Amino acid sequence: DTAVSQTPKYLVTQMGNDKSIKCEQNLGHDTMYWYKQDSKKFLKIMFSYNNKELIINETVPNRFSPKSPDKAHLNLHINSLELGDSAVYFCASSQVGGGRFRHTEAFFGQGTRLTVV
Amino acid sequence: GESVGLHLPTLSVQEGDNSIINCAYSNSASDYFIWYKQESGKGPQFIIDIRSNMDKRQGQRVTVLLNKTVKHLSLQIAATQPGDSAVYFCAERAGTGGFKTIFGAGTRLFVKA
Repeated sequence: DTAVSQTPKYLVTQMGNDKSIKCEQNLGHDTMYWYKQDSKKFLKIMFSYNNKELIINETVPNRFSPKSPDKAHLNLHINSLELGDSAVYFCASSQVGGGRFRHTEAFFGQGTRLTVV
Repeated sequence: GESVGLHLPTLSVQEGDNSIINCAYSNSASDYFIWYKQESGKGPQFIIDIRSNMDKRQGQRVTVLLNKTVKHLSLQIAATQPGDSAVYFCAERAGTGGFKTIFGAGTRLFVKA
């Protein structure tokens, strides 16, 4: 069983288009994340959602709009794609609630390689 | 600003040797630290974690050391194998409520057979 699954795995699109990436976790975690990994492998958090509520938005352009219909899903919609958006996007989930020592590590999906041409 | 780790360095070791990967963090308020392994084409995978009330934790072939005085983490891999070749990231759980994990820049480990 895949714990964190995201689709599609690859996405090639033209500048100016709008695209979405979907993510689902079956771990029962209360928190989900989107990360962006650039060509130098640097991983930067974009968003964090806890129980469907936006907790962290790391100065991401408002062309990026996450949506969490329920605790198990966190989708990422990107408007007016730009060349600089090309990267690998990772969805992740973890358990944060339940006290300090209930924190778990984050489980990551396989990534979506977005190429904007 | 916030930073964990160094720009992506490379470590090359002979199969069977021990590997040590180092990481510096800057947020003294962080209380939870994690090491991840990322293989080509895959997402980061959890290796081992440590809370700030400990200074050492051992897993299977891996040991994490935490030195809060100098804000330093290290990952030791015993008897390194070709399958250990990957990029390794240290990460810290920071921010109110623990909702933010900050990753270091990663270290690429090459294992020579």
